[in-house]
Amino acid sequence: KAGVTQTPRYLIKTRGQQVTLSCSPISGHRSVSWYQQTPGQGLQFLFEYFSETQRNKGNFPGRFSGRQFSNSRSEMNVSTLELGDSALYLCASSFDRANEQFFGPGTRLTVL
Amino acid sequence: KQEVTQIPAALSVPEGENLVLNCSFTDSAIYNLQWFRQDPGKGLTSLLLIQSSQREQTSGRLNASLDKSSGRSTLYIAASQPGDSATYLCAVPTQGGSEKLVFGKGTKLTVNP
Repeated sequence: KAGVTQTPRYLIKTRGQQVTLSCSPISGHRSVSWYQQTPGQGLQFLFEYFSETQRNKGNFPGRFSGRQFSNSRSEMNVSTLELGDSALYLCASSFDRANEQFFGPGTRLTVL
Repeated sequence: KQEVTQIPAALSVPEGENLVLNCSFTDSAIYNLQWFRQDPGKGLTSLLLIQSSQREQTSGRLNASLDKSSGRSTLYIAASQPGDSATYLCAVPTQGGSEKLVFGKGTKLTVNP
């Protein structure tokens, strides 16, 4: 069974640009969550999607948004990039609530 | 508000040693607790998931215990190997069966050959 995949693996952008990251969950998993990981703040929850609906949202500004498609694949978008958005963005999938979560390899975003 | 603490922040041991990593959480009303490992620059690998009704879970050389009433979990690694070197993270849902996980800062383990 294929694991969670994320594309691209690495991105370099400049301030003010926008970026879209993609996540394909494990086949059969309906929940996709996104996390930001930085050395200073650790892992922080961004949002979670289930059956194309945002079910949970973390404390991030509106520049961070996401969506989920009917095949459970998810994308997150960050607009008007800031230097502080440089981070490892991780996607996790699970079958449903209270189930084991599986993480992808992450997308390393660098904002210059 | 759920908070997760992991002690110690870093640990260095010689190969072959048995070791224990600690995780504590402030709100004991959890559905489960999950342990992960993370290699530098990589994603998280799920190691063990303990449901709230369980007291322990084992996978190979790993054994995780959960004491909800005291808000603690431990990850026991037997006969450590250099390949076990990584950061170990524990995580719990923020509330009920939420998919929103709260993570500890992790314990960075180094196993020296």
